[in-house]
Amino acid sequence: VIWMTQSPSLLSASTGDRVTISCRMSQGISSYLAWYQQKPGKAPELLIYAASTLQSGVPSRFSGSGSGTDFTLTISCLQSEDFATYYCQQYYSFPWTFGQGTKVEIK
Amino acid sequence: EVQLVESGGGLVQPGGSLRLSCAASGFTFSSYAMSWVRQAPGKGLEWVSAISGSGGSTYYADSVKGRFTISRDNSKNTLYLQMNSLRAEDTAVYYCAKDLDKDILTGYYDYWGQGTLVTVSS
Repeated sequence: VIWMTQSPSLLSASTGDRVTISCRMSQGISSYLAWYQQKPGKAPELLIYAASTLQSGVPSRFSGSGSGTDFTLTISCLQSEDFATYYCQQYYSFPWTFGQGTKVEIK
Repeated sequence: EVQLVESGGGLVQPGGSLRLSCAASGFTFSSYAMSWVRQAPGKGLEWVSAISGSGGSTYYADSVKGRFTISRDNSKNTLYLQMNSLRAEDTAVYYCAKDLDKDILTGYYDYWGQGTLVTVSS
């Protein structure tokens, strides 16, 4: 099983801030990593896959980077609609696993 | 328009069984792998199971292996999750999710259903 450490678990930020979320793997996964956004009561939405490929329709202020064991999701200029919980997910090997989540809240 | 609609959730006693369904529309169902992902109340996401487009390959999380069975009926555009020997820790919202890429099991999802709540309690 590949263990994932996502940090921070809670991030307080203001509109316009640049924020970064980290996801660290217990072993290398090449670039087999996705990022999702989830708002309360809603299903997750895909933001990034293959570590850095932006899903169609996702604003360009979202970006992903990293490979191997260390990955980052960056929101360059936080908007009001970005306050949500973010999850990383590895699909390198079964069982596929999600990070614990990072809640981005208004400061 | 792609739509995934889950059904079959509800209240079940520990040790009981339940079958979830996910009706798909708006895409060529048989060309895409599908998965079930669950979320316990107030908790994070947990991948449960995946199935290839043909149904010939299936995969499970250790927590459900031997108790849950994923299947699909491509003639009915429907995904299933048969859940047996249910435990309190299986209580969660269960989502079905569609792989982004066609004809290959990729593991990242571009469409999700709205979820169906399964509560295991006496």
